[in-house]
Amino acid sequence: DAKTTQPPSMDCAEGRAANLPCNHSTISGNEYVYWYRQIHSQGPQYIIHGLKNNETNEMASLIITEDRKSSTLILPHATLRDTAVYYCIVRAQGAQKLVFGQGTRLTINP
Amino acid sequence: ETGVTQTPRHLVMGMTNKKSLKCEQHLGHNAMYWYKQSAKKPLELMFVYSLEERVENNSVPSRFSPECPNSSHLFLHLHTLQPEDSALYLCASSQGAASTDTQYFGPGTRLTVL
Repeated sequence: DAKTTQPPSMDCAEGRAANLPCNHSTISGNEYVYWYRQIHSQGPQYIIHGLKNNETNEMASLIITEDRKSSTLILPHATLRDTAVYYCIVRAQGAQKLVFGQGTRLTINP
Repeated sequence: ETGVTQTPRHLVMGMTNKKSLKCEQHLGHNAMYWYKQSAKKPLELMFVYSLEERVENNSVPSRFSPECPNSSHLFLHLHTLQPEDSALYLCASSQGAASTDTQYFGPGTRLTVL
């Protein structure tokens, strides 16, 4: 599985857009980028995933660079309930497991 | 609510006890997983079941024994655990076990071994 690099922590003001970066410079052509988040002591929550194109759902948007070496998760209007650890995961073709790193601890401030 | 439930949510047990963790998914999925999350560590995959067959066992000690009686239920039987086994145990399910199948997690069981 390709390795991902995320900043350990970020802060964002409530109501503003939260942009979480992820570097995955060794990603290969058939690997997907997944984002999960984990609110303290709860199970990880699926947010979004993508391969090449940008993706959007009711929770967030995923922007993947053209060379696929990095991506950004965007929470358009952050709320206090978005405070969590956000994990960027690259999942290899045929891989059954998700390999979680340390993630980014996002704190939304009032 | 993800459609994956786990019981109990909290469990305290002694090293000589035998207990079981239960996971149930209401999503019609065919694959189920056990993960372990120790304090300050990333999630680690323990077991994968696909269509009730174990397809992956990540060198987990034999004191952890999984059971998948049908595609909706997954158990983790525990016996003679050690204090270092205290962790959050998470169950997940997905439509299949392919890399493109999104995994949905339950709330976890917080296990404390005394």
